[in-house]
Amino acid sequence: EAGVAQSPRYKIIEKRQSVAFWCNPISGHATLYWYQQILGQGPKLLIQFQNNGVVDDSQLPKDRFSAERLKGVDSTLKIQPAKLEDSAVYLCASSLSTGNSPLHFGNGTRLTVT
Amino acid sequence: AQRVTQPEKLLSVFKGAPVELKCNYSYSGSPELFWYVQYSRQRLQLLLRHISRESIKGFTADLNKGETSFHLKKPFAQEEDSAMYYCALRTDSWGKLQFGAGTQVVVTP
Repeated sequence: EAGVAQSPRYKIIEKRQSVAFWCNPISGHATLYWYQQILGQGPKLLIQFQNNGVVDDSQLPKDRFSAERLKGVDSTLKIQPAKLEDSAVYLCASSLSTGNSPLHFGNGTRLTVT
Repeated sequence: AQRVTQPEKLLSVFKGAPVELKCNYSYSGSPELFWYVQYSRQRLQLLLRHISRESIKGFTADLNKGETSFHLKKPFAQEEDSAMYYCALRTDSWGKLQFGAGTQVVVTP
């Protein structure tokens, strides 16, 4: 099966600019996650979707981050405006359903904010 | 508060030697623990989960609720085991995972 696809792989922007990341989950996977991984740390959940509804966005900095999954398939994560501390790898993951289904991760997007 | 602690940032072992990666957790509910691995230039992937009680690539992990630990062990390390290993805790029925900071394993010949 095709894996979770993410683009772009790398992005360099200046602070206060905006950026968007795209994720295409594995076909049939209802649950989609966006994680932020800062260098030297483990992934931290930003937002979780079940189909096109948000299950958990408690750790999403909503003043600057937004995410959507309009048709319950692809998802985009946006940062506007970016700060230096947003430099990280942004990982998208999907799973067949909630509960015991394992998470399948994409390759991530490495964001550098200068 | 829920927390996953991996005390070692780096483990360097010789090929053929045993390796043990420590993971401790803090969680008030019934825990579900996982180990994920990331090999060089590859994506993060599931290695094993405690409910399966299986051995994957020679690795095993036992959940010790008394010590709130889920250490990952392998009796004879191989060079291909060099990777970043993350312990993760499922914190709700929706499947959300909380990850530790990770342990880098380097196996030298």
